[in-house]
Amino acid sequence: AQRVTQPEKLLSVFKGAPVELKCNYSYSGSPELFWYVQYSRQRLQLLLRHISRESIKGFTADLNKGETSFHLKKPFAQEEDSAMYYCATGANSKLTFGKGITLSVRP
Amino acid sequence: GAVVSQHPSRVICKSGTSVKIECRSLDFQATTMFWYRQFPKQSLMLMATSNEGSKATYEQGVEKDKFLINHASLTLSTLTVTSAHPEDSSFYICSASATGQNTEAFFGQGTRLTVV
Repeated sequence: AQRVTQPEKLLSVFKGAPVELKCNYSYSGSPELFWYVQYSRQRLQLLLRHISRESIKGFTADLNKGETSFHLKKPFAQEEDSAMYYCATGANSKLTFGKGITLSVRP
Repeated sequence: GAVVSQHPSRVICKSGTSVKIECRSLDFQATTMFWYRQFPKQSLMLMATSNEGSKATYEQGVEKDKFLINHASLTLSTLTVTSAHPEDSSFYICSASATGQNTEAFFGQGTRLTVV
């Protein structure tokens, strides 16, 4: 069965500090991993997916199959990064989400 | 990105009545739509997969007679909560993706259902 674990509920950092949002997964077969973001009062939107291997808004995430992890990282957090972040796994748009983590970036 | 619209965004209904929630893909055709439920401070839980022109596929533990899903066209799926009870109060979110493998899922803004 697919499962995604986000061990932390809240991460609070100062502007300019590095950010790492943790995600571990269990998946049978070849996993597709995603990070979704939800800004205040907005809908859920895709931030990045592992198959794209691209950086969006300064965020990157590397799939580590040995550790079954897909941690989201950004070297220098900005205030506008404050949002709810969900790690997800799935295929063909059918997703299993983690519980999410609130990132708060203070000025 | 593509736009998915849900309606209504908020609804309050009396216990025992039914409520219909619409999910529309505004600028693309979606052969598949998904319905999720989100409890306060918890994750999104997949309820069912809505397939255009065929029956929905429900996840384990989701009552198909309670949550009726209709996907009559390539741009519209509806979720009807029948004989709603207070425990059905939740945030319901739909997503839609265009035809094809590994296409991105686009999410609606969600519907807050409160049953009183």
